[in-house]
Amino acid sequence: KAGVTQTPRYLIKTRGQQVTLSCSPISGHRSVSWYQQTPGQGLQFLFEYFSETQRNKGNFPGRFSGRQFSNSRSEMNVSTLELGDSALYLCASSSGTEGYQETQYFGPGTRLLVL
Amino acid sequence: AQSVSQHNHHVILSEAASLELGCNYSYGGTVNLFWYVQYPGQHLQLLLKYFSGDPLVKGIKGFEAEFIKSKFSFNLRKPSVQWSDTAEYFCAVNGDNYGQNFVFGPGTRLSVLP
Repeated sequence: KAGVTQTPRYLIKTRGQQVTLSCSPISGHRSVSWYQQTPGQGLQFLFEYFSETQRNKGNFPGRFSGRQFSNSRSEMNVSTLELGDSALYLCASSSGTEGYQETQYFGPGTRLLVL
Repeated sequence: AQSVSQHNHHVILSEAASLELGCNYSYGGTVNLFWYVQYPGQHLQLLLKYFSGDPLVKGIKGFEAEFIKSKFSFNLRKPSVQWSDTAEYFCAVNGDNYGQNFVFGPGTRLSVLP
């Protein structure tokens, strides 16, 4: 079974631009979660989508948004990029149907550099 | 707010030494506990998990962890480390009111010297 895939793997943007990242979950998984990983803050939860609906949200500004398609693929968008948005963005998938007793499987991440 | 702490920021060991990485969480309800590993240049991989039952759980590559509810701890152990265990290790918690919001610890970097 193929794992979680994320595209692109690397991105360089400048301040003020916007960016869209993509994630394809493991086949059959319906939940996709997004995390931001930085050296200073570690892994921080952004949001989770299940059946095309945002089901859970972390404590990030509204510049960070996402969506999920009917095939469970998800995109994350960051508008008006700031230098502090430079990070590794991780996507994780899980079945989404086992309540809190889920195991998340992570993709390789998209490394975003904002100049 | 729920939180996860990991005792050590960076651990340096020689090959064949024993390993114990500490993890403590703060949450009063039912939790699921995980250890993930991130090898250099690779993505996060699940090492082991605890949902319920035997508090001593075994994972891949010879790792094990013990859940001690009274201490809110979930320490990771390995009796004899190898150079290939060099990686960053993350403890994570998902509580019964978290949804899919896993809370991760800050990570412990393990360097194993050959």
